[in-house]
Amino acid sequence: KAGVTQTPRYLIKTRGQQVTLSCSPISGHRSVSWYQQTPGQGLQFLFEYFSETQRNKGNFPGRFSGRQFSNSRSEMNVSTLELGDSALYLCASSAGTSGYEQFFGPGTRLTVL
Amino acid sequence: AQSVTQPDIHITVSEGASLELRCNYSYGATPYLFWYVQSPGQGLQLLLKYFSGDTLVQGIKGFEAEFKRSQSSFNLRKPSVHWSDAAEYFCAVVSNTGNQFYFGTGTSLTVIP
Repeated sequence: KAGVTQTPRYLIKTRGQQVTLSCSPISGHRSVSWYQQTPGQGLQFLFEYFSETQRNKGNFPGRFSGRQFSNSRSEMNVSTLELGDSALYLCASSAGTSGYEQFFGPGTRLTVL
Repeated sequence: AQSVTQPDIHITVSEGASLELRCNYSYGATPYLFWYVQSPGQGLQLLLKYFSGDTLVQGIKGFEAEFKRSQSSFNLRKPSVHWSDAAEYFCAVVSNTGNQFYFGTGTSLTVIP
């Protein structure tokens, strides 16, 4: 089975721009979660989608949004980028029922200049 | 609220020595607990998980962890560390309301020859 894939792997943007990251989960997985990882804050939960519906949401501003498509692929969008948005963005998929382990993609490294 | 504490930010061990990484959790019910490992520039890989049953769980790469309810701990151990074990280790607990993971801040492991 193919693992979780994330595109692009690296991105460089400037302040004020917007960005869209993509995540393709493991085949058959219906839950996709997004995390922001920074040296200072560690892994912070952004949101989780299950069957195209946002099921959980972390404590991030509205500039961070996401969606999930019928094939379970997910996108995350960040508008009006700030320097502090520079981070590794990780996507994880799971079968979706509570307690199932999450399988992580390699991440997208976003640098905001 | 659920939370995970990893008291040790950084640990250095000699190759061949034993290893124990500490993890304490706060959770109202029986937790689902996980240990993940992250190599530089990579996503997270699942080492092992605890859902119920035997409190000593075996994982990949020779790792094991013991769930101790009385101490709210889920410490990770390895009898003999290899240089390739150098990485960042994360403990996590999942909520019973959905699929939201709570991660500790991680422990960075350095292995010296």
